[in-house]
This record gives sequence, structure tokens and C-alpha cells, in this order.
Amino acid sequence: DAEITQSPRHKITETGRQVTLACHQTWNHNNMFWYRQDLGHGLRLIHYSYGVQDTNKGEVSDGYSVSRSNTEDLPLTLESAASSQTSVYFCASSAVRGRTDTQYFGPGTRLTVL
Amino acid sequence: AQTVTQSQPEMSVQEAETVTLSCTYDTSESNYYLFWYKQPPSRQMILVIRQEAYKQQNATENRFSVNFQKAAKSFSLKISDSQLGDTAMYFCAFMKHVVNYGGSQGNLIFGKGTKLSVKP
Repeated sequence: DAEITQSPRHKITETGRQVTLACHQTWNHNNMFWYRQDLGHGLRLIHYSYGVQDTNKGEVSDGYSVSRSNTEDLPLTLESAASSQTSVYFCASSAVRGRTDTQYFGPGTRLTVL
Repeated sequence: AQTVTQSQPEMSVQEAETVTLSCTYDTSESNYYLFWYKQPPSRQMILVIRQEAYKQQNATENRFSVNFQKAAKSFSLKISDSQLGDTAMYFCAFMKHVVNYGGSQGNLIFGKGTKLSVKP
């Protein structure tokens, strides 16, 4: 069955380290998204991509970067991890390139920055 | 900018009873989509139901139905015959209709969620 996976599921790192969170989907979806979830804020968009070589900043993109070299993967990189980036991170994807469509979510990655 | 408000941080309901979760939103868009997502303790975000703003008929999915009031910008979720497995956080989300990928965002805007507890 097609799915969307995230790895690792849990990660502890130290302030200042570079961290990369992986997202992989096997639906062949064009659109991929990264959100963070914090208490009291719901989910907020970090970055999104409408296809290979396309990336865009979301609401809370400072300190994060993404790259899209193929359809299946959208890794999220924290260039220099900060304690404020302790959160749960969700990857999502949707089918139709650049058009409104239902988003399906991965299981999430809990990141702790000490 | 669009905003989504869920005014009930927590709710509880007895098993087999009916509960309604509230959601209001603010937008100047005329064409958009609304969603309810469920997040159980496993943290997985699961789509419950979707409503297209141009459709007058309220969406239903088994025990889940919505009351969509476009003029009032209200989108409530009704859960009938509540089950213990319905215990979860429920998020209301808005997405504007996007056709041009060149410059527009097709992302979701979430409310802060309602924690629903179903009691035996």
C-alpha cells in the first residue's frame, strides 16, 4: 500500500547541531508539506513544494530549509538547531500539482533540542 | 489572511451519545475547502471529513457529519453514536482554492484543536 513515512520518529539533539528529518511518500504525489505542532498553536506550515526543484517558505520558515530532488522525498533540515525548535514535525502530501487537494499526513517526528 | 477558531479547548461525551465540535473561520475567499482532522494519542493526523465551499449539501462520513454555514463562516462537526475510539484531538482546517501553482499557496490553516474525551 502507498504511504508516507517519516524518520526518525524520535530525535534528541544539541543546540547548534545540524539535523535532517526525512519524509518519503510512495503515492507519487506532487505536493509535499512540512508542519510543526506546538501546544497552543495547532499545526503551522514551515515549507512546501509543488514538485521537483520547487520549494516555498511557509509561515514559520526561519531556521529551516528543504530541497526536492525527486518526487518521493522532501527532507527538512535545521541548519543550527535551537531550543525553540523542539516540537513535533509532520510531513504531508497531496496529489494534484499546485491545486487544492486533501493532504495526507505522516506519523510525525518528535524532536527535542537540548 | 485566513484564520480558523475552535472555541472549545476540551469536551467530553458519554459513549453512544452525540457531540458537536465548533469551528469558525475568517476569509475573504469565495471558493475554498474545509476539513476536520482527528489526532488520536498515537499522534497520527487522520482525515475525518472534507467540505467544498461551493457545495450546499453538508458532507457526511458514516457517523461523522458537518453543519456548514457559509454565510456565518461556521463549520461544525457532529459525531453520532460516540465510541471510545473517537477520543482524540480534533482539528478544523481551511484551504483556499488554488489553481495556479506559480505563486499561490495550497496549504492548510489549522485551528488550535478541541480535545474530545469519550467516557464509558
